[in-house]
Amino acid sequence: DAGVIQSPRHEVTEMGQEVTLRCKPISGHDYLFWYRQTMMRGLELLIYFNNNVPIDDSGMPEDRFSAKMPNASFSTLKIQPSEPRDSAVYFCASSHRTVNTGELFFGEGSRLTVL
Amino acid sequence: GDSVTQMEGPVTLSEEAFLTINCTYTATGYPSLFWYVQYPGEGLQLLLKATKADDKGSNKGFEATYRKETTSFHLEKGSVQVSDSAVYFCALSDRQGAQKLVFGQGTRLTINP
Repeated sequence: DAGVIQSPRHEVTEMGQEVTLRCKPISGHDYLFWYRQTMMRGLELLIYFNNNVPIDDSGMPEDRFSAKMPNASFSTLKIQPSEPRDSAVYFCASSHRTVNTGELFFGEGSRLTVL
Repeated sequence: GDSVTQMEGPVTLSEEAFLTINCTYTATGYPSLFWYVQYPGEGLQLLLKATKADDKGSNKGFEATYRKETTSFHLEKGSVQVSDSAVYFCALSDRQGAQKLVFGQGTRLTINP
């Protein structure tokens, strides 16, 4: 089976531009998570969904960030407008049970550079 | 809030050396504990887990024991290989209703032949 698929793998953009990151979770998984990884702050949870519904978005940095999950097989993370401090690796992960007993399956990440 | 503290890296060892990466946690409830590994250019993947006190998780020669009395979950391996070079993350899950993982900062491990 295919794992979690993220696109693009690399994105270089200029400050002020809109950025859209995409994620296809593993089929049958009902939880989807967006994480951000930076050297300074490590791995931070931005938002997660259960059955396509956002459950906790307290990690979303500010209103410039938004995430959607229109169906069980697709999610987007959008940054508008982007800023240099948004440069990071963004990971999508999915799971099919609570994290207490299951495991998260991570995609390979989208490396974003904002100039 | 809940948090995880890992020993600072990077850690550099020779092949066949003994490995310990320290991890301690702070949690209000009774979390599950995890070690994830990230190989270069890849996403994180679960290495091992423990769901209650005194449980020992093990995989690929790595072990970690859930110690409630010391709030620790140290990762150990008796004889490391070059292929173990990666970044290791300790994590906990919040059992207070929020289905999410809290990760430590990660420890970069390099094994020299």
